Amino acid sequence: EAGVAQSPRYKIIEKRQSVAFWCNPISGHATLYWYQQILGQGPKLLIQFQNNGVVDDSQLPKDRFSAERLKGVDSTLKIQPAKLEDSAVYLCASSLNLAGSWETQYFGPGTRLLVL
Amino acid sequence: RKEVEQDPGPFNVPEGATVAFNCTYSNSASQSFFWYRQDCRKEPKLLMSVYSSGNEDGRFTAQLNRASQYISLLIRDSKLSDSATYLCAVNRDDKIIFGKGTRLHILP
Repeated sequence: EAGVAQSPRYKIIEKRQSVAFWCNPISGHATLYWYQQILGQGPKLLIQFQNNGVVDDSQLPKDRFSAERLKGVDSTLKIQPAKLEDSAVYLCASSLNLAGSWETQYFGPGTRLLVL
Repeated sequence: RKEVEQDPGPFNVPEGATVAFNCTYSNSASQSFFWYRQDCRKEPKLLMSVYSSGNEDGRFTAQLNRASQYISLLIRDSKLSDSATYLCAVNRDDKIIFGKGTRLHILP
């Protein structure tokens, strides 16, 4: 079974530039998550989708971050404009259903972003 | 107070020893609990779910103490390959909240 795919794996940009990340979850997984993991910290949930609807985006900095999952499958996360403090690993994860049960989340390899 | 707290370590433990670490959570409405393992520059992977009755998988034992609001992970007969960061995760209202992780170094 193919895992969660993410691209690009690495990205270096200058502050105030824009960047986009792509995620393709495991086939059949209804729930998709984007996390931000800053060095030395645990993953922080940015946004959670159930199919193509947003379940939770309370920690998404909406003035600069946006995400969509138009057809309920793959998803993009965009940052515009980027700030130095956005340097982090952006992890995408998916689970079969909502995390309300004992669903396992499967993580992709992440996109490592460096903002200069 | 953070919702999920862990001792960041590092725990430096000789090979073959037993090591244990805890994770505390502040919200009593938390519903389910997990330990994830994260290797350096890799993604987190589920190690164990933590059930009320506790559970064991080989050398790994996880326990939940709802009264004191913490979960624990015990690793017996530690191997060099156990060196990693161990992330505690708590599910509350369909949202998974991760701790910062505990770094474990197994020494030869």
